[in-house]
Amino acid sequence: AQTVTQSQPEMSVQEAETVTLSCTYDTSESDYYLFWYKQPPSRQMILVIRQEAYKQQNATENRFSVNFQKAAKSFSLKISDSQLGDAAMYFCAYSIYGGSQGNLIFGKGTKLSVKP
Amino acid sequence: GAVVSQHPSRVICKSGTSVKIECRSLDFQATTMFWYRQFPKQSLMLMATSNEGSKATYEQGVEKDKFLINHASLTLSTLTVTSAHPEDSSFYICSAATQMNTEAFFGQGTRLTVV
Repeated sequence: AQTVTQSQPEMSVQEAETVTLSCTYDTSESDYYLFWYKQPPSRQMILVIRQEAYKQQNATENRFSVNFQKAAKSFSLKISDSQLGDAAMYFCAYSIYGGSQGNLIFGKGTKLSVKP
Repeated sequence: GAVVSQHPSRVICKSGTSVKIECRSLDFQATTMFWYRQFPKQSLMLMATSNEGSKATYEQGVEKDKFLINHASLTLSTLTVTSAHPEDSSFYICSAATQMNTEAFFGQGTRLTVV
């Protein structure tokens, strides 16, 4: 069975600094999708970034980028120039179907605090 | 962008009663909707997957007679928690997707408190 592990329950970063959130996963599939979701206090799940496993190039979205290491089954999220609005729970997620036709398997989350 | 509306956002009900939660896709047709449950300070756990016009597929350990899911149209799915008990208190989140997308769009969630 596929599993997603986030080993950092909580992280803290100074405003304008860079922080990296860790995620590892286990799967026997060769083609799959990985996601980072943000859940602010409002509880609304927001997609931050998506990575297709068949793509070697790491995905980037403005200040957010990932380090995807397929052989190591690692998928970390780097947030550059951290802003106060980045404070939230961050969930790493896995799907074999890209999130639309299959279920998302979530990690337990990392609570990110941003200090002014 | 795609919008999924979930209603109500908060509900308190008495033990033994039933409560219905609605999940609507406002600007797209959702062939598939997913229902998740999130315990305090925990991750989201998939409860069931519903496809329009067919019976929902429940994850192992989820009681289908307790958590009734209906997906009668391409824009609406409902989750009914029957004979609710305090242990059913949780945050329930839906997401909706089309076969054309590679992303599932989430509703705002519903906090259910059973007293």
